[in-house]
Amino acid sequence: DAGVTQSPTHLIKTRGQQVTLRCSPKSGHDTVSWYQQALGQGPQFIFQYYEEEERQRGNFPDRFSGHQFPNYSSELNVNALLLGDSALYLCASSFGDRLGNTIYFGEGSWLTVV
Amino acid sequence: AQSVAQPEDQVNVAEGNPLTVKCTYSVSGNPYLFWYVQYPNRGLQFLLKYITGDNLVKGSYGFEAEFNKSQTSFHLKKPSALVSDSALYFCAVRNNQGGKLIFGQGTELSVKP
Repeated sequence: DAGVTQSPTHLIKTRGQQVTLRCSPKSGHDTVSWYQQALGQGPQFIFQYYEEEERQRGNFPDRFSGHQFPNYSSELNVNALLLGDSALYLCASSFGDRLGNTIYFGEGSWLTVV
Repeated sequence: AQSVAQPEDQVNVAEGNPLTVKCTYSVSGNPYLFWYVQYPNRGLQFLLKYITGDNLVKGSYGFEAEFNKSQTSFHLKKPSALVSDSALYFCAVRNNQGGKLIFGQGTELSVKP
């Protein structure tokens, strides 16, 4: 049973560029969320997708956008990259939106902005 | 507003001794509480969760957590620590309006031989 998979694992971008990160949820899961984890901090919620729609959004600017595809996979896009966007980006998946359901995380994508 | 606090940045334990990693929370309504572990340069691994029922929750790798409603705490415990338990531990509460996870700042656990 494949868990949450993310790609790429590491990437380096220049300020002002755009980046796309990809995620495949755990088998059987239909809800995908994205989190940003800066060095030395806990993960911060970016947004959640369910039925191909953004259902909830954290305190992130519009430069952060996403998409969910019919097969439940998801992309995170960040435009006009800033140095402060350097972080580990974690994708998480769950089945449905019941609060007691476990949320599983992928290994993350390390983004460095130079 | 819902929040989680992990009062200790670092916990040091000798191998074979019991360990406790502390977590307190603030929520409106019923709490849905989770513990995750993060090894260096890795993602988060689910350890255990509290939804309802028994206040002592058992999870992966011999870990357990005790839910205390009156003290609004959800401390992670293990009777006998292993060197391989050394990692970063995160407590989280699930927001009951939308379901996002709200994390604490994390506690670095160091187990020495």
